[in-house]
Amino acid sequence: GQQLNQSPQSMFIQEGEDVSMNCTSSSIFNTWLWYKQEPGEGPVLLIALYKAGELTSNGRLTAQFGITRKDSFLNISASIPSDVGIYFCAGRKGDDKIIFGKGTRLHILP
Amino acid sequence: DGGITQSPKYLFRKEGQNVTLSCEQNLNHDAMYWYRQDPGQGLRLIYYSQIVNDFQKGDIAEGYSVSREKKESFPLTVTSAQKNPTAFYLCASSITADTDTQYFGPGTRLTVL
Repeated sequence: GQQLNQSPQSMFIQEGEDVSMNCTSSSIFNTWLWYKQEPGEGPVLLIALYKAGELTSNGRLTAQFGITRKDSFLNISASIPSDVGIYFCAGRKGDDKIIFGKGTRLHILP
Repeated sequence: DGGITQSPKYLFRKEGQNVTLSCEQNLNHDAMYWYRQDPGQGLRLIYYSQIVNDFQKGDIAEGYSVSREKKESFPLTVTSAQKNPTAFYLCASSITADTDTQYFGPGTRLTVL
């Protein structure tokens, strides 16, 4: 099946730093979603994007729907220890099923 | 309190045995999904159901079976034909199959010895 390319695969950052991650596809999507998964739990939806160029915030998290409709970005400002986890992007084109990226694992160094 | 539940949290089985994973939701959602998660692989769709008494294969359906006899329940059976069944299994639901937001259960970690 088609895959989304999510990068980086993992990140090690200091508490307080900002974080950026992205997701790209060779196809155009009309929906982009960002989920967070904590260890041993199911993913939880953070942000949903439905329009090219859309910029949406959820607290310290901001996500953007790329203008080309082939990418999306997630930024986390002033990271804190509870931001640790795996962040998944997901996308849908047309009436197809939603597909997920492989995730970005975020580690925060003390 | 509405939500989606999976049981058990951890499951151990001997090789060659079938095992059924439970998924229940009281959100009145029409659509339900089963995903498999392996390290570095993200989420891969096993089966999904758009409505009761209907289900379709996902990307990795071989060695798995499902049923959807009730709206709130979507059990997954991992059969002995699944060559590498040890994984973390996630169930999800959405209002309809066209709805983008999926709500996930807490997952079941299956270990085949």
